[in-house]
Amino acid sequence: EVQLVESGGGLVKPGGSLRLSCAASGFTFTNAWMSWVRQAPGKGLEWVGHIKSRTDGGTTDSAAPVKGRFTISRDDSQNTLYLQINSLRTEDTAVYYCTKVAVAGNGYYFYGLDVWGQGTTVTVSS
Amino acid sequence: EIVLTQSPGTLSLSPGERATLSCRASQSVSNSYLAWYQQKPGQAPRLLIYGASNRATGIPDRFRGSGSGTDFTLTISRLDPEDFAVYYCQHYGSSPPGFTFGPGTKVDIK
Repeated sequence: EVQLVESGGGLVKPGGSLRLSCAASGFTFTNAWMSWVRQAPGKGLEWVGHIKSRTDGGTTDSAAPVKGRFTISRDDSQNTLYLQINSLRTEDTAVYYCTKVAVAGNGYYFYGLDVWGQGTTVTVSS
Repeated sequence: EIVLTQSPGTLSLSPGERATLSCRASQSVSNSYLAWYQQKPGQAPRLLIYGASNRATGIPDRFRGSGSGTDFTLTISRLDPEDFAVYYCQHYGSSPPGFTFGPGTKVDIK
């Protein structure tokens, strides 16, 4: 079964840090692009960032609101995706979803975010 | 940077009716990079359509995606009770690289 399971969320004070994890199973993680998407309470979906497969360069890109504060990384030996979030702000309060990005040809072909985890909740409050 | 606008914000319909949801891009985009997702309360989103018109695995054929350029449409031919949810369109871009979501359309029961 293809599955993504996030963990690491919690209640953090403004300025604090957290590391979210996403354990992947049921597909070849090494070959997959992965991304993080968040959803603030009662709001829509917001892309946070993504990381390409090592084959496609392993590079990362992030959304402007989180650039410089959030870092995406992966451990292919552990089939795990990470999101290090620093200098947390109240507006970072959200459910954070880990997703698999279905692509081919180094992103030339895009088939959607085809697998989603159940999400982990980050609450930033004093 | 591409901005996606969805309309209407809320669509109130009855089961069995046809739903037509619109997604408009701020500039012309390739069909290949346009997707639609469904999200029910308390659940993660689910991929419905990729490449503007291709149904994802397991998606019923009452869901149809269409459009090109700046105007895209998701049509649900006959609403099933399980289809009442929020629907998001999404674009994947390479310059700048990233994924943009529309604000969503809520389809609720009339």
